[in-house]
Amino acid sequence: QSVLTQPPSASGTPGQRVTISCSGSSSNIGSNYVYWYQQLPGTAPKLLIYRNNQRPSGVPDRFSGSKSGTSASLAISGLRSEDEADYYCAAWDDSLSGGVFGGGTKLTVL
Amino acid sequence: QVQLVESGGGVVQPGGSLRLSCAASGFTFSSYGMHWVRQAPGKGLEWVAFIRYDGSNKYYADSVKGRFTISRDNSKNTLYLQMNSLRAEDTAVYYCAKDGLPYGDHGFGLDYWGQGTLVTVSS
Repeated sequence: QSVLTQPPSASGTPGQRVTISCSGSSSNIGSNYVYWYQQLPGTAPKLLIYRNNQRPSGVPDRFSGSKSGTSASLAISGLRSEDEADYYCAAWDDSLSGGVFGGGTKLTVL
Repeated sequence: QVQLVESGGGVVQPGGSLRLSCAASGFTFSSYGMHWVRQAPGKGLEWVAFIRYDGSNKYYADSVKGRFTISRDNSKNTLYLQMNSLRAEDTAVYYCAKDGLPYGDHGFGLDYWGQGTLVTVSS
């Protein structure tokens, strides 16, 4: 069981907007920044969103993040086939004194 | 450009030890905290350990506490993970990753990752 809870799967058609949720608690999301990672098949993860809603250079503005209380979400607009990947939310947990990841959401582009 | 190259993975028997290394280049290694993250076959990401930029603070996941030790040599731009008392459940690809926050205690914006090294614990 992951400390952060994500839906195991999500799907959408090209051009659609999809959102992936991430639920935590006061010791992680509630008091620290949320990060999102994209992992394409067979590759290392890539930082997609940092500090709740900031995009590293090179990440398209189709990707956006938000946080409210102890939950966060990742939105992908204008869905493309190359967005098919696993997505993970992450945060530091003050109670555990360590990092925690969500279980991951497998995004399928239909 | 930033490069992180892990090495040291392999097959080890339960109860055995292994030391992973991560050679860093393309950035000021001594200014950034570093993490180890692992991924068991077909499973999700699991954070393993973090070391502050100067080595003064270290944090571990409960699953490895007391068995694994993270360390760094800033003169060699190298990160290490000493793994003792290995168990079957430690089988995973181990990634080293750079924290995006300079001189921080811990962030969790891992902005660069290595390609990973596979550790298999099996008799």
